[in-house]
Amino acid sequence: EAGVAQSPRYKIIEKRQSVAFWCNPISGHATLYWYQQILGQGPKLLIQFQNNGVVDDSQLPKDRFSAERLKGVDSTLKIQPAKLEDSAVYLCASSLVWGRGPGELFFGEGSRLTVL
Amino acid sequence: SQQGEEDPQALSIQEGENATMNCSYKTSINNLQWYRQNSGRGLVHLILIRSNEREKHSGRLRVTLDTSKKSSSLLITASRAADTASYFCATALYSGGYQKVTFGTGTKLQVIP
Repeated sequence: EAGVAQSPRYKIIEKRQSVAFWCNPISGHATLYWYQQILGQGPKLLIQFQNNGVVDDSQLPKDRFSAERLKGVDSTLKIQPAKLEDSAVYLCASSLVWGRGPGELFFGEGSRLTVL
Repeated sequence: SQQGEEDPQALSIQEGENATMNCSYKTSINNLQWYRQNSGRGLVHLILIRSNEREKHSGRLRVTLDTSKKSSSLLITASRAADTASYFCATALYSGGYQKVTFGTGTKLQVIP
């Protein structure tokens, strides 16, 4: 079974530039998560999709971050314009279970962003 | 925001020793999960314990959960150099028809060969 795919693995940009990250979850997984992990910290949830609908984006800085999940499969996370504090690893995860079922999260390798 | 606080932040032990990590959280949960993260990699799920369970085992891992104290512990027995990684607890709560998973601050474990 293929895992969660993310690209690019690494990206370096200047502040105020834009960047986009792509995630392909495990086939059949209904729930998709984007987490931001700053160095030395735990992952922080940015946005959560169930199929192609957003169920939680309470911690997404909506003035600069946007995300979409087309046809309930792939997802893209965009930052525009980037700030220095956006330097972090962006982790995509997916889960088979939705609703009330307990479910483990399967993570991709992450996309490491450096903003100069 | 971080739901779980982990203790200790860092732990260094000799190969063969046991490693214990603790997690405290603030709100009600439906289940608690533990993940491992090797340097520069994504997180890998280790074990899930439901709120009505008190203890669970998986290989060299033992997890306990005390919902009255809002705390959990992860014990790795007979540690190996390959166990060197960061370990995170994550609390899961069902709300509004979906599972919200919130991660703690992590414990960095170093196992010295």
